[in-house]
Amino acid sequence: SSELTQDPAVSVALGQTVRITCQGDSLRNYFASWYQQRPGQAPVVVIYGKNNRPSGIPDRFSASNSGNTGSLTITGAQAEDEADYYCNSRDITGNHVFFGGGTKLTVL
Amino acid sequence: EVRLEQSGAEMKKPGESLKISCKASGYKFTNYWIAWVRQMPGKGLEWMGLLYPDDSETRYSPSFQGQVIISADKSLNTAYLQWHSLKASDTAMYYCARLGPEVPEYYFDYWGQGTLVTVSS
Repeated sequence: SSELTQDPAVSVALGQTVRITCQGDSLRNYFASWYQQRPGQAPVVVIYGKNNRPSGIPDRFSASNSGNTGSLTITGAQAEDEADYYCNSRDITGNHVFFGGGTKLTVL
Repeated sequence: EVRLEQSGAEMKKPGESLKISCKASGYKFTNYWIAWVRQMPGKGLEWMGLLYPDDSETRYSPSFQGQVIISADKSLNTAYLQWHSLKASDTAMYYCARLGPEVPEYYFDYWGQGTLVTVSS
């Protein structure tokens, strides 16, 4: 079973704001990192650490954290943001990595 | 430019062995942990294990411990994922990914393109 829990599916109207959440005990100690996976492609990191965006990731992607929950927010969702989104974290020993089950984002 | 180039798709029979590869370029291979991640058809990402190429220290997910072997050849800048006896349930896409620097959180900053493994009689 996954140590990180995500809603299976979320939808958002084009141009609106959507939040995707990730819950797990490890997030009390570490920030969630977030990945976008479009169909047939490898995952791409969109947020890592507290709220860091790799080069090339639009600034409409941001992250926040509270307690055992991490959130990825897309402000002004675009059609190309339709994808699966995964969170990940680690345990305190550094010996284990966790992925959430993924959230399928539909942009209406 | 950092690149992780994975070996091509494989079609195998149950019970056969297999070793797939992930060749790194554009950075110092021995300085970064490499992970293997499984994605079964239509399913999510599953972490399999981590390897530090400099000393080959490995950390396995309990779900995959004893089922696969993760290794590396520093001279070739290549990491490997190996099975001794494949099962139909090993059918999946397998990704290698580099563990990113700079923060205590574990995140994967570069990914290979994936290797599709199909196990069928």
